[in-house]
Amino acid sequence: SAVISQKPSRDICQRGTSLTIQCQVDSQVTMMFWYRQQPGQSLTLIATANQGSEATYESGFVIDKFPISRPNLTFSTLTVSNMSPEDSSIYLCSVEDGEQYFGPGTRLTVT
Amino acid sequence: KQEVTQIPAALSVPEGENLVLNCSFTDSAIYNLQWFRQDPGKGLTSLLLIQSSQREQTSGRLNASLDKSSGRSTLYIAASQPGDSATYLCAVRGTYKYIFGTGTRLKVLA
Repeated sequence: SAVISQKPSRDICQRGTSLTIQCQVDSQVTMMFWYRQQPGQSLTLIATANQGSEATYESGFVIDKFPISRPNLTFSTLTVSNMSPEDSSIYLCSVEDGEQYFGPGTRLTVT
Repeated sequence: KQEVTQIPAALSVPEGENLVLNCSFTDSAIYNLQWFRQDPGKGLTSLLLIQSSQREQTSGRLNASLDKSSGRSTLYIAASQPGDSATYLCAVRGTYKYIFGTGTRLKVLA
């Protein structure tokens, strides 16, 4: 099974700033996913990030707000840009290696 | 558009009870279905994965079934324990992504 780490684990940010979340996997994987989990809600897919291609964004999410990098098969970053309090959520990365595995998440609070 | 619903939304049971969590999906064209648990403030832990060609999977006290034609899956937890208290999520795998259910918050009382 894949082991995933995320940095930072939590952060408190001011509105209008940006935060970059890192996701590191202990093995090479093709597909990585970024999710948002708003308070008390289930997971919503932000985008799918495959190495060597542009990320595919879901309806309601745009690259200008959530730029994603996928420089290699073990690493990805998600940036939350120009943050507002509505961006306060847990952000999770996951990979698919037969089944889906998740990182521990990044808890973001925007004040 | 795939929609995934979980019933009940919350459940509180005394320790030792057997219980069933339900997951319904609207599009039967799925590759697999995965059950997760999530502890408060934490990431997701995979419990069971059922491929579309399978009917059920078992791991310890957990048993998950899948009926693609009716768009349903159940997670059976035997002899529940306080340590089982968590939110349980099901996720269905479509062509290129997973869709998550609404979740069931389980509390097992000692």
